Amino acid sequence: GESVGLHLPTLSVQEGDNSIINCAYSNSASDYFIWYKQESGKGPQFIIDIRSNMDKRQGQRVTVLLNKTVKHLSLQIAATQPGDSAVYFCAENNESGGSYIPTFGRGTSLIVHP
Amino acid sequence: GAGVSQSPRYKVAKRGQDVALRCDPISGHVSLFWYQQALGQGPEFLTYFQNEAQLDKSGLPSDRFFAERPEGSVSTLKIQRTQQEDSAVYLCASSWGMNTEAFFGQGTRLTVV
Repeated sequence: GESVGLHLPTLSVQEGDNSIINCAYSNSASDYFIWYKQESGKGPQFIIDIRSNMDKRQGQRVTVLLNKTVKHLSLQIAATQPGDSAVYFCAENNESGGSYIPTFGRGTSLIVHP
Repeated sequence: GAGVSQSPRYKVAKRGQDVALRCDPISGHVSLFWYQQALGQGPEFLTYFQNEAQLDKSGLPSDRFFAERPEGSVSTLKIQRTQQEDSAVYLCASSWGMNTEAFFGQGTRLTVV
């Protein structure tokens, strides 16, 4: 079936490094993608989104890249800080009966060492 | 409030007990979603409302799970005769409408003993 998945379950980086978290999706009809950050004991927090008519979108210290040819998303975090340590999920909005349901992959745990 | 609010934050239920979990979405948000998140996993979709209409309940794992949103605002997820496998964090999210970002609450951690 259609799914969203992540290549790396855990990513460890040093403070100040740039981080790249990858995500593969299989529903070629998906046209809206969101990255969420989830800290321990909290709900997922919206970071950045991108629609399929774009290849790149930048936020504060974060950039999302979308490659529709290979159905791949990445989240880049510049100058990673200890406060960035969390689990990161990509989600695609899957159309279901006229509604759009965010569908999540398993997530990548980002660990930032001071 | 400014965000999605869920209550209670923690719930311990004895096996066989019924529970009710509440979600207060962001004011004015049309869409409301419930998810179940097991430890170490991503959120799994349970059900979706557009205003008071439950448009998709394909993710509800059994007929023991029931959700409602009678006035198109507050929603309640009810689980009857809880079982140990129901232990998880239950997340609620809301959004303005179709294909917009969903904002999540803190979740309710349910432990069935």
